[in-house]
Amino acid sequence: QSALTQPPSASGSPGQSVTISCTGTSSDVGGYSYVSWYQQHPGKAPQLMIYAVSKRPSGVPDRFSASKSGNTASLTVSGLQAEDEGDYYCSSYAGSNKVIFGGGTKLTVL
Amino acid sequence: EVQLVESGGGVVRPGGSLRLSCAASGFTFDDYGMTWVRQAPGKGLEWVSGFNWNGGDTGYADSVKGRFTISRDNAKNSLYLQMNSLRAEDTALYHCARGPHYTSSWYNWFDPWGQGTLVTVSS
Repeated sequence: QSALTQPPSASGSPGQSVTISCTGTSSDVGGYSYVSWYQQHPGKAPQLMIYAVSKRPSGVPDRFSASKSGNTASLTVSGLQAEDEGDYYCSSYAGSNKVIFGGGTKLTVL
Repeated sequence: EVQLVESGGGVVRPGGSLRLSCAASGFTFDDYGMTWVRQAPGKGLEWVSGFNWNGGDTGYADSVKGRFTISRDNAKNSLYLQMNSLRAEDTALYHCARGPHYTSSWYNWFDPWGQGTLVTVSS
């Protein structure tokens, strides 16, 4: 049960857009619509940003959007702001009552 | 306000046991799935275990199956994780997190999360 593959880092300037990928297999990301994304600031608990592939919980800015194509899910942050800096993790149901996380991506706002 | 507060972490020797607790408040606890996720120091998130509102649908990561047991006491609004045969690689900050309402699959998403309780396995 290997972790989903995310780039270790991503960056962008304020106002720009950045996309973070999350690659799995047909047994997890590609097989279910249970992909979620979490933001974590240093020393803080993770926070849900996206669930069910592309749905945004109330309170999450619409600058955050997500999608899935085949075995790869993507999170896009538009109009980057300083407070978007942090670690981002994708997660997917992997069948047989198991959940798998990605290795995490450190987003830097330049 | 929804709150999750973990407790029970500490230092334990390899092969030892520990029981973590998660006290929930601010929502109808027995309407929701719950899960445990851990984070080793400086590392990423690793899902540990989770189940639905009544504990009848349970899952474990391969790395802990047979050693850890998740349980809940809906009367006490509490979630537990019994950890046996602990190994050095179990050292991590353990978060509890709420899953979706029982009308959705317990593994669909996790929100909110507690701040975590630290478990250190060391001789």
